[in-house]
Amino acid sequence: SQKIEQNSEALNIQEGKTATLTCNYTNYSPAYLQWYRQDPGRGPVFLLLIRENEKEKRKERLKVTFDTTLKQSLFHITASQPADSATYLCALGGGTGRRALTFGSGTRLQVQP
Amino acid sequence: DARVTQTPRHKVTEMGQEVTMRCQPILGHNTVFWYRQTMMQGLELLAYFRNRAPLDDSGMPKDRFSAEMPDATLATLKIQPSEPRDSAVYFCASGLVVGGQGEQFFGPGTRLTVL
Repeated sequence: SQKIEQNSEALNIQEGKTATLTCNYTNYSPAYLQWYRQDPGRGPVFLLLIRENEKEKRKERLKVTFDTTLKQSLFHITASQPADSATYLCALGGGTGRRALTFGSGTRLQVQP
Repeated sequence: DARVTQTPRHKVTEMGQEVTMRCQPILGHNTVFWYRQTMMQGLELLAYFRNRAPLDDSGMPKDRFSAEMPDATLATLKIQPSEPRDSAVYFCASGLVVGGQGEQFFGPGTRLTVL
């Protein structure tokens, strides 16, 4: 069965540094991948979508890469700020027989001032 | 500022009772999703609708869960009878899905505790 892996351990970094989160998947060929941010007690909020034919996508301080050979997506936050502290979820969608998103378990990011 | 609304925000009930959760999707969105989130399982898709028609409810325990969209402004998720293992946060999300793709807008969730 398909599996989506995100680092379950929290990522702690210093303010101003670049945070890099990883999303690996197996037994799946998604047509696109999305990243969401979730704050405690709230629903996830959409950040970025990247399609299988795109290598990289940027939005302000955010950058996402998608390597369908490695079956991996990297999510970068440059010049990180304490306000970036949250849990980040990757979600895969599309592909053969798949019509809805499947979410990873998320990685918690803590940015220290 | 359009947003998905969910009621109730919190629900505590006893095992065996019926629970109904409601969701108002964003006007104009054609797809509505129900998810359940727990620490152990993460965010799991229960069911979703496209233009009010159920497309997939394979993630839902059929014997006790049911999901409906009586109209375009209301989606419901019912659990009858509820069990302690149903304790979780239930999220509704909506989106304008075209060609199978689209971002999802999540509601604030209903935190359910079954004693």
